[in-house]
Amino acid sequence: AQSVTQLGSHVSVSEGALVLLRCNYSSSVPPYLFWYVQYPNQGLQLLLKYTTGATLVKGINGFEAEFKKSETSFHLTKPSAHMSDAAEYFCAVTPSGGYNKLIFGAGTRLAVHP
Amino acid sequence: GAVVSQHPSRVICKSGTSVKIECRSLDFQATTMFWYRQFPKKSLMLMATSNEGSKATYEQGVEKDKFLINHASLTLSTLTVTSAHPEDSSFYICSASDWVNTEAFFGQGTRLTVV
Repeated sequence: AQSVTQLGSHVSVSEGALVLLRCNYSSSVPPYLFWYVQYPNQGLQLLLKYTTGATLVKGINGFEAEFKKSETSFHLTKPSAHMSDAAEYFCAVTPSGGYNKLIFGAGTRLAVHP
Repeated sequence: GAVVSQHPSRVICKSGTSVKIECRSLDFQATTMFWYRQFPKKSLMLMATSNEGSKATYEQGVEKDKFLINHASLTLSTLTVTSAHPEDSSFYICSASDWVNTEAFFGQGTRLTVV
């Protein structure tokens, strides 16, 4: 069975500060890992994904995440927060293959203040 | 990335009526489609997985007679909420995938309000 834990339901940062959103997973098979962003009343937009290969993955809007197998983590970071980054962020895991269902974390709401 | 279109984006219906939500893959053949439900300020809960031409597989606790899912073609899946009640009000999101991509692609979501 697979599961995802996102530490911190709410994270607040100042504009220009480092963004760190935490995600830990459990999986009995090599996982595919994803970060999505959701703006109010909208669907999900893929920020980045890890499938195989390089463990540091770069995504859109300056976000990146590092897959650490030993820590079962896939934390999302951005060096400098922008006001437009304020949104809900979801970490998700699936067994290899996009045809498999995603297991989502509870989500982290990121607030960015001036 | 591939495009998945979900329609309608918003719908209001009267209690006791049925409402159909469509999910279309516009530029690829979706062998598998997923339907999620999202409660306010909550995460996405998978409702069911549908493979083209097969019956949907429902997650535990999801009423298959209330949430009818049809995946009759490689580009279209529908979710019909039958005899809707106010507690069915929610945000419903579909995603679609094939055997080639490493990810599923999401629709824009449908806000259902039952009055």
